Amino acid sequence: DVKVTQSSRYLVKRTGEKVFLECVQDMDHENMFWYRQDPGLGLRLIYFSYDVKMKEKGDIPEGYSVSREKKERFSLILESTSTNQTSMYLCASSLGGRASEQFFGPGTRLTVL
Amino acid sequence: AQSVTQLDSHVSVSEGTPVLLRCNYSSSYSPSLFWYVQHPNKGLQLLLKYTSAATLVKGINGFEAEFKKSETSFHLTKPSAHMSDAAEYFCVVTLYNFNKFYFGSGTKLNVKP
Repeated sequence: DVKVTQSSRYLVKRTGEKVFLECVQDMDHENMFWYRQDPGLGLRLIYFSYDVKMKEKGDIPEGYSVSREKKERFSLILESTSTNQTSMYLCASSLGGRASEQFFGPGTRLTVL
Repeated sequence: AQSVTQLDSHVSVSEGTPVLLRCNYSSSYSPSLFWYVQHPNKGLQLLLKYTSAATLVKGINGFEAEFKKSETSFHLTKPSAHMSDAAEYFCVVTLYNFNKFYFGSGTKLNVKP
């Protein structure tokens, strides 16, 4: 059974703290994604990686960075959190190609106080 | 630019009546299209996908969708709603490179007893 796991389900941080969210997939997928989900806005792409050490900005990369040192692992870094980064963060992976869907992790609900 | 539009943010139906969730996309290329469901406090699950084969696609839990190129639509239907169908539904499109996914803003389905 395919699996995408995320390091935390819930996090509470104070403004200015550093946050490190980790995502691991066990499907040998090429592509990995980080989204944030906010009510009424759907999912918005933060960053996308199509290979180890390769990344591409999504629609809302400001305030975020990513790291992909191994194929199965994709990390989202918030260097200095702000209250407007309070959100649900979802990681996904996909094999790539026309017929390939995304597989999602359970999400991390981050609250920044 | 908006690549996918879900026409209703909320839909309410009675149990046992048909469900119609509407999705339109914009694309200059032949897209792949997906519907995902997200139950409260759960991750996103794939319902069905269209990837250029049959235009009528059947998915899990009795859902189906029809790809209509002339109308640039991919509406999701189910003949008879069940209480367990209450969730948020996302229409998703990939465009020319099939490695980036564009999400609609979601439709919340409420099923009344």
